[in-house]
Amino acid sequence: DGGITQSPKYLFRKEGQNVTLSCEQNLNHDAMYWYRQDPGQGLRLIYYSQIVNDFQKGDIAEGYSVSREKKESFPLTVTSAQKNPTAFYLCASRRIQGTSNTGELFFGEGSRLTVL
Amino acid sequence: KQEVTQIPAALSVPEGENLVLNCSFTDSAIYNLQWFRQDPGKGLTSLLLIQSSQREQTSGRLNASLDKSSGRSTLYIAASQPGDSATYLCAVGTGANNLFFGTGTRLTVIP
Repeated sequence: DGGITQSPKYLFRKEGQNVTLSCEQNLNHDAMYWYRQDPGQGLRLIYYSQIVNDFQKGDIAEGYSVSREKKESFPLTVTSAQKNPTAFYLCASRRIQGTSNTGELFFGEGSRLTVL
Repeated sequence: KQEVTQIPAALSVPEGENLVLNCSFTDSAIYNLQWFRQDPGKGLTSLLLIQSSQREQTSGRLNASLDKSSGRSTLYIAASQPGDSATYLCAVGTGANNLFFGTGTRLTVIP
């Protein structure tokens, strides 16, 4: 079955450590996204990528980094520079339709990061 | 900047009742609107996608409508079931990669 796989589901980190969250999709989607979800707030965009080897900052990119070496993969690194990293992280993807990119957005199951 | 509001934040209904969830947005220049369902601790599941040229979309017991001029969308759930209990989020697309999410309505269907 096609879908988006995120790992790990739960992750604990000590302050000062970098961690990398994995996101893999087999939907053949061009565009991939990382969102952060905090209680009582809407999802906020961290980074997105529309093509291999290219990515753009979203609204809250500070303290995060990404790479897009393969179409299927879009890992997110939460660096020690991120001041408040404890959150639920969601990866998403969609097919690019024309220039407006209005395709349906699909999400993975999420990764919960807790900083101790 | 586009703002998306979902009221109420929480809703409880008895099983079998028909219900409507609301989503409002401040800028009518949108590309599309998507409704999602989220179960506790899980990712978002897409329910319905309405393009800006459409007025409504239907899937099973779900019907979503879009009124761009008034900045509103509704998600109608017919004959609610306990399995419908979840948080429902709407998201408004305003550009190639701009998607604005509401904070959701937490629905509880009481058996």
